[in-house]
Amino acid sequence: GAVVSQHPSWVICKSGTSVKIECRSLDFQATTMFWYRQFPKQSLMLMATSNEGSKATYEQGVEKDKFLINHASLTLSTLTVTSAHPEDSSFYICSASWGTDTQYFGPGTRLTVL
Amino acid sequence: QKEVEQDPGPLSVPEGAIVSLNCTYSNSAFQYFMWYRQYSRKGPELLMYTYSSGNKEDGRFTAQVDKSSKYISLFIRDSQPSDSATYLCAMISNRDDKIIFGKGTRLHILP
Repeated sequence: GAVVSQHPSWVICKSGTSVKIECRSLDFQATTMFWYRQFPKQSLMLMATSNEGSKATYEQGVEKDKFLINHASLTLSTLTVTSAHPEDSSFYICSASWGTDTQYFGPGTRLTVL
Repeated sequence: QKEVEQDPGPLSVPEGAIVSLNCTYSNSAFQYFMWYRQYSRKGPELLMYTYSSGNKEDGRFTAQVDKSSKYISLFIRDSQPSDSATYLCAMISNRDDKIIFGKGTRLHILP
């Protein structure tokens, strides 16, 4: 149980375009979803926390207009990277929880911006 | 069979004891192995990163990988109450770069 999926697993896009990444909880209802960014061999950097039906809470230094997060249902959250640039290339990982401290992680989405 | 198995605990040990945390995996394509520590309501912090069988030591932490048995371990020596957290193992395949996390083990160090 507690499976979280992400789609796509790898996306390549041109600089200046927008990319949407989906995070789904497959067998439970996630009241809270988290979005992380990971650079190679580094810790996961929390970008934002989203609760279903409300606006996401962004961490300091994360541009909310660039990284749009929507948590429209208890099983789906989306992260849209707007006007992507090569420096946005990274691993984006989501996690989901349902009211406890336990987070269940998705497999990550690798974004490559050319 | 799940790709990565990790006992969720909780695991309670007295301060000063040696802690052993483990994960097993089924995918022989996993080549990179990580251990993260996550405090309550915080993001996971990378503790150890290794890609070869054997031991890697960093202070009180030792990561051990046995690829033949598909088994990885994290040892914490001289455990302290501040080590109380959830420890997640994670692995990356050399085929598709997906990162697969274990469910995490909750560790409590009793003062």
